[in-house]
Amino acid sequence: QSVLTQPPSVSGAPGQRVTLSCTGSSSNIGTNYDVHWYQQLPGTAPKLLIYDNSNRPSGVPARFSGSKSGTSASLAITGLQAEDEADYYCQSYDRSLSGYYVFGTGTKVTVL
Amino acid sequence: QVQLQESGPGLVKPSDTLSLTCAVSGYSISRSNWWGWIRQPPGKGLEWIGYIYYSGSIYYNPSLKSRVTMSVDTSKNQFSLKLSSVTAVDTAVYYCARRGERNYFDYWGQGTLVTVSS
Repeated sequence: QSVLTQPPSVSGAPGQRVTLSCTGSSSNIGTNYDVHWYQQLPGTAPKLLIYDNSNRPSGVPARFSGSKSGTSASLAITGLQAEDEADYYCQSYDRSLSGYYVFGTGTKVTVL
Repeated sequence: QVQLQESGPGLVKPSDTLSLTCAVSGYSISRSNWWGWIRQPPGKGLEWIGYIYYSGSIYYNPSLKSRVTMSVDTSKNQFSLKLSSVTAVDTAVYYCARRGERNYFDYWGQGTLVTVSS
């Protein structure tokens, strides 16, 4: 039921910058609903990484940053590290039907 | 520190009802937050099931609404999920989570795998 589209995989060498995209529509991101990002390490629960498009919770390294424009959002990881290898999900709210929370399809980040 | 812990049967038979409970510690469930359930089929993405306020207000995912029931027990500081008429497609890791100040989930349980099989 994912209505937010993410690339299945992204890879980069340690120290590099990678960008993950999240594409929605006029019923979710494009309606000015905020986008949030989660990191899911293998075998663990998702962890809030970015909230309200570009804010980092306490304890999240500054190398993670988020932005939003139009019907899309992006997560950038600057200075990629081995421990960043994980699945990343975007999330927003969709006003269709009676309204519901929607997650992206997920992106697997591989550190080469 | 807010902590959430799911509990319930790991195996449910097809057509039966899946029942899970989420115990919250380190935070009163009666404060101004919504408490939700999210699931993840093996190897797949996340799906929001619904959430409940301590007063009993509830919102469900429209795609699951006909089969989902949520409740809250403030005396035990926990909330619960029931999903009826389950089939194999309901096999997933089920997470409970706290909704933050706005439309994001800031604290999650570790998740519990529920398998639907005879």
